[in-house]
Amino acid sequence: DAKTTQPTSMDCAEGRAANLPCNHSTISGNEYVYWYRQIHSQGPQYIIHGLKNNETNEMASLIITEDRKSSTLILPHATLRDTAVYYCIVRVVGAANQFYFGTGTSLTVIP
Amino acid sequence: GAVVSQHPSWVICKSGTSVKIECRSLDFQATTMFWYRQFPKQSLMLMATSNEGSKATYEQGVEKDKFLINHASLTLSTLTVTSAHPEDSSFYICSAEGGPYNEQFFGPGTRLTVL
Repeated sequence: DAKTTQPTSMDCAEGRAANLPCNHSTISGNEYVYWYRQIHSQGPQYIIHGLKNNETNEMASLIITEDRKSSTLILPHATLRDTAVYYCIVRVVGAANQFYFGTGTSLTVIP
Repeated sequence: GAVVSQHPSWVICKSGTSVKIECRSLDFQATTMFWYRQFPKQSLMLMATSNEGSKATYEQGVEKDKFLINHASLTLSTLTVTSAHPEDSSFYICSAEGGPYNEQFFGPGTRLTVL
């Protein structure tokens, strides 16, 4: 079962930052937070992941609260191509552990 | 790097026939692959975990005799939907585990339509 909750949908103006929240209040100490996105009728695409420190890559930034019970994915300058469903997933790294997808957040970037 | 392909990308078949879907990791070896199913406007649902050289592990409620999984090599897993019926029509997605953090790399999906 999914261990995360996300808002069902969000809108963001093109060029502005998109901030997507995720609650994972039951996260364990050895579980990482992963973010994937799925553009319509395609396979999910990896965005970023983290354990407790904030992370940044060429696609996005991940902010994890100090108690690790929630996180925020930040797309710094949203474009129309960022319109997708964004999934926040928690899992243990190192073993062959399954990903259980929640309902995700449908982000619409508006021109 | 870390590219996963699926074949076919879409298939239409008659009720009662069997359909095989291939999942390949193109530039890395994957001991573990996963199969998901996604119905319209719903999230991905994990069906099974496929381990190279051993039997697949199925999620609760997924019929192992209907969804046959074979992971014969480190780069290929196949899902066969046996005696397909219209209710099996769905988007089937595979992923392969790899990378330093055991990320999952997803294929582009296969759209199955059973008439």
